[in-house]
Amino acid sequence: GAGVSQSPSNKVTEKGKDVELRCDPISGHTALYWYRQSLGQGLEFLIYFQGNSAPDKSGLPSDRFSAERTGGSVSTLTIQRTQQEDSAVYLCASSLGAGYYGYTFGSGTRLTVV
Amino acid sequence: GESVGLHLPTLSVQEGDNSIINCAYSNSASDYFIWYKQESGKGPQFIIDIRSNMDKRQGQRVTVLLNKTVKHLSLQIAATQPGDSAVYFCAESANSGNTPLVFGKGTRLSVIA
Repeated sequence: GAGVSQSPSNKVTEKGKDVELRCDPISGHTALYWYRQSLGQGLEFLIYFQGNSAPDKSGLPSDRFSAERTGGSVSTLTIQRTQQEDSAVYLCASSLGAGYYGYTFGSGTRLTVV
Repeated sequence: GESVGLHLPTLSVQEGDNSIINCAYSNSASDYFIWYKQESGKGPQFIIDIRSNMDKRQGQRVTVLLNKTVKHLSLQIAATQPGDSAVYFCAESANSGNTPLVFGKGTRLSVIA
């Protein structure tokens, strides 16, 4: 498709379980970003991939969070041993590269930890 | 739809009037700024951007103003329409736009028909 695709759109999981969230960026976009949006909050940066460079993980809130990007395209965000405070909308975005490029966001994955 | 945020600053405007949404930023090193629109249940949508070497940029029905002296950004929407109702976020980046965007808290725009 022409946009950023995220799956699943909704995920309900039990506390303590692991979850994987998927992002399929726009073809040709070398930069990929993960953000988290909690109710009543703005977007919180999590992690950033640019080409073959080491990812910027400075926004990951704990070592339970990790992400990878395979082949410079699809990315997976993994949350291990989920906690209730992990409940949020997880948004993925891609851009043409680093620099003066706007990001195109997907519709997000709403994660609910019960 | 689902609410993006329940306790955001809200701006209510009459249909057809102009809207002005303001944003203060804190990082004096920021050199790239973007306004995003987010409708309920959707991801943020790019509206307009501006680099720090400019103080004004216009798009279709939208204008962004940048005042670096007081670190203030504003989005003006002309002839506001019901479809403009959404949450609006400003975002900033430093290092020639190379650092990940930092988003503000957002403002909810409500258009009264």
